[in-house]
Amino acid sequence: KQEVTQIPAALSVPEGENLVLNCSFTDSAIYNLQWFRQDPGKGLTSLLLIQSSQREQTSGRLNASLDKSSGRSTLYIAASQPGDSATYLCAGGGATNKLIFGTGTLLAVQP
Amino acid sequence: DTGVSQNPRHKITKRGQNVTFRCDPISEHNRLYWYRQTLGQGPEFLTYFQNEAQLEKSRLLSDRFSAERPKGSFSTLEIQRTEQGDSAMYLCASSRLGDKTYEQYFGPGTRLTVT
Repeated sequence: KQEVTQIPAALSVPEGENLVLNCSFTDSAIYNLQWFRQDPGKGLTSLLLIQSSQREQTSGRLNASLDKSSGRSTLYIAASQPGDSATYLCAGGGATNKLIFGTGTLLAVQP
Repeated sequence: DTGVSQNPRHKITKRGQNVTFRCDPISEHNRLYWYRQTLGQGPEFLTYFQNEAQLEKSRLLSDRFSAERPKGSFSTLEIQRTEQGDSAMYLCASSRLGDKTYEQYFGPGTRLTVT
């Protein structure tokens, strides 16, 4: 059974700092790993998707990596901004395509 | 294409009442998923459809819950005899069969409050 864990649960950083969010999963037989952003009371916005055959994906200031052998993914955010404040969720997709989510990291970027 | 839409966005109901939510996926997407998210937790899978066929249901989907996708387009999720523990955000997502990335696109969710 796939289990996904995110560390830390909450993070507060000053504006401009680079930061890393961590995600670990127990079953390496994943098809993909998706990172999402969720603003309070809102739905999920997809940030990056890494297929099982890939090592990393980049979009703007965001870079996500995937290491299936160690069961880990990281989301790197460069030059953080107050607008990056949100909850970040990672989710692993398996053979049936349902996503198994972590509990998220609540990020606060202080101006 | 405006993405996945869900209605209503908010629903307040009294315990014991029935509620129904609707999800309209992205038009060419033939896979549709329902998830439930409680406060402070990540979303949990409930069920998924490929076209009109319901292919998987979670144990979270008790007999008070039923989901349909009659024509392979929009889907409805009904909760009968609601309980306070049903209060949550109900999220719908869709994806396209044949898309090798299996990427899922989420709607804005329906927030249910049972009083």
